[in-house]
Amino acid sequence: LAKTTQPISMDSYEGQEVNITCSHNNIATNDYITWYQQFPSQGPRFIIQGYKTKVTNEVASLFIPADRKSSTLSLPRVSLSDTAVYYCLVGDGDDYKLSFGAGTTVTVRA
Amino acid sequence: SAVISQKPSRDICQRGTSLTIQCQVDSQVTMMFWYRQQPGQSLTLIATANQGSEATYESGFVIDKFPISRPNLTFSTLTVSNMSPEDSSIYLCSVEASPGGVTASTEAFFGQGTRLTVV
Repeated sequence: LAKTTQPISMDSYEGQEVNITCSHNNIATNDYITWYQQFPSQGPRFIIQGYKTKVTNEVASLFIPADRKSSTLSLPRVSLSDTAVYYCLVGDGDDYKLSFGAGTTVTVRA
Repeated sequence: SAVISQKPSRDICQRGTSLTIQCQVDSQVTMMFWYRQQPGQSLTLIATANQGSEATYESGFVIDKFPISRPNLTFSTLTVSNMSPEDSSIYLCSVEASPGGVTASTEAFFGQGTRLTVV
């Protein structure tokens, strides 16, 4: 699975947009980019997945440039409840194994 | 989506004893996965459990320490054997979101986890 690099932590305030960039220079042709969110004392929760360009759902947007060597998770107008660890994963899911990196701890303050 | 229930949600155990964690899914799934998350760390895959066959363990994990059962398509257990304080972690059960899906996918569902403390 392609290795990913993302910031260890980010601080934000309520109502702001949070953008987390993940680097995956060795992404393979068949790999998808998937983001998970984990609250304390809970298992990770799938947020969004994309292959190229832009994907948007009710929770977030995912921007993927043409070379696919990075991706940016955008959380619009965050609230205190968005405080969590966000993981970027890259893989083709062929064996359904997930390889989690260190993740980005996002702290939203009032 | 799949709903995954894990039991127990937490436990405090004496060193040298064993704990069996149960994972129940509300739908039939081919593959179930067990992860460990040590305090303040990310998740690490322990093993993959397929129904009707022995579990496949990742590097650093062995069957004698983490025996796994998969008696049917909705249930699995993970046993943490001969526990030591180093086994204190959160253990999570996971299933794939698209069993037998046509397209590649890295979407999965996770249980709430079992918080184990070994004293």
